[in-house]
Amino acid sequence: DAGITQSPRHKVTETGTPVTLRCHQTENHRYMYWYRQDPGHGLRLIHYSYGVKDTDKGEVSDGYSVSRSKTEDFLLTLESATSSQTSVYFCAISEGDRRTEAFFGQGTRLTVV
Amino acid sequence: GNSVTQMEGPVTLSEEAFLTINCTYTATGYPSLFWYVQYPGEGLQLLLKATKADDKGSNKGFEATYRKETTSFHLEKGSVQVSDSAVYFCALTSSNTGKLIFGQGTTLQVKP
Repeated sequence: DAGITQSPRHKVTETGTPVTLRCHQTENHRYMYWYRQDPGHGLRLIHYSYGVKDTDKGEVSDGYSVSRSKTEDFLLTLESATSSQTSVYFCAISEGDRRTEAFFGQGTRLTVV
Repeated sequence: GNSVTQMEGPVTLSEEAFLTINCTYTATGYPSLFWYVQYPGEGLQLLLKATKADDKGSNKGFEATYRKETTSFHLEKGSVQVSDSAVYFCALTSSNTGKLIFGQGTTLQVKP
C-alpha cells in the first residue's frame, strides 16, 4: 500500500466552526490532491499541490483552503463549515505524469451538523 | 471541458455472470483512462489503465479497451465473484498535473 495517512478518519462538527483535515505521505510524490466524494457526483477535485507552497484550485474549491509547508503534508481547511460540506474527503498523491496512476488515502468522513 | 459518463447503477448480478460497465468520455488532447475500484469502507485503488488509443488494460480478470473512435473505455469481466462487489469509477487525466476527472461511479453487487 502507498504510504498515505489521513487524519482524522471521522469527524462531526458544528456549522460555522473551522475544520482542518490532514494528509501525510511517505512516498515523496510531488503532487498531492484533495477530492470530495458525494453520491451521484463521483469524486471532484477541491485543490491540489505541485510542490511546497505551490497550490492551485480544483473544480469545487469555494469554502476550502489548503497549505503545503512540507513535501509530505497537505492540509485542507474548511474556514467555516457548512452542511453542504458534509462529505467523504480523499487525499491522493501522484507523480503528475498523465500516464501514471494516483494513490488514494482511506478517506475522512466529515459530518457538519 | 473534460468529462466522464458512466452507466447508472446499481448493477446486480449472480456469481459467474458476465459484467459490462459502460464508460464514455469527452476530452481534448490525448487523455489516459483509468478504472478505479472502491471496496466498502476503503479508499480507491487502481484496477487498470490505458494510456493511448487501442491499448487494453487488464487486471484480476477485468479488461477495458481504449476506443478513441467511440470515446469509450468499457469495463468487462467474464465471470464475476461475490468479492467483486464494490463501486467502480471510470476516470481520465489529460494533463501532466495528474488531475483526475471521475465518472459518477457504478455500484456492483454480486449475489451467490
